[in-house]
Amino acid sequence: EVQLVESGGGVVRPGGSLRVLCAASGFTFDDYGMAWVRQAPGKGLEWVSGISWNDGYTAYADSVKGRFTISRDNAKKSLYLQMNSLRADDTAFYYCVRRRFGSGTYFDFWGQGTLVTVSS
Amino acid sequence: QSVLTQPPSVSGAPGQRVTISCTGSSSNIGAGYDVHWYQQLPGTAPKLLIYNDNNRPSGVPDRFSGSRSGTSASLAITGLQAEDEADYYCQSFDSNLSGFSDVVFGGGTKLTVL
Repeated sequence: EVQLVESGGGVVRPGGSLRVLCAASGFTFDDYGMAWVRQAPGKGLEWVSGISWNDGYTAYADSVKGRFTISRDNAKKSLYLQMNSLRADDTAFYYCVRRRFGSGTYFDFWGQGTLVTVSS
Repeated sequence: QSVLTQPPSVSGAPGQRVTISCTGSSSNIGAGYDVHWYQQLPGTAPKLLIYNDNNRPSGVPDRFSGSRSGTSASLAITGLQAEDEADYYCQSFDSNLSGFSDVVFGGGTKLTVL
């Protein structure tokens, strides 16, 4: 059974940093691209960042570019999102997702999410 | 403002059929990229409902179906049930953007079962 379990969320002050983690199990982690999708409380879904299976390619939404860094450790079957210079509008649930490719892309498995709150 | 446009809300009585539209443009749905749908039940994470326009993952009832035409797509739910009350999101790929910064979501539609 595919499982994605996020952790590391919490309350952080504006301008601060936080790293969230996703532990994957139930599939061959290094066969898949992964990504982070976030959802502000009561709002819609927003793609944040993605990474290829071998760490060779990363990309970011314009809203987080230069502040967030995605990485992975295939030996540990883990995905990370380092978030710096956090702002109030970064407050959201952060979901770890497994990425599939076809004519475009989609996300076939989602974690339960970890809540990041940016507040003074 | 989402790249893909969905109605904020739809409703229907148990047993009825409802559809949710997802309108894009020539750089995403109109460019031929597949549309995918997610269901988010209250208080839970989103779940893949339909992928590649009209395919259902294992375990998704055949009451759910998807279609795509031109610059739009639709999700249809037949035999509406109380448990279908949820938020629904469409998602596609946009060729105006580069690399992985190409995933676009609709703003979401809240389905209310009357």
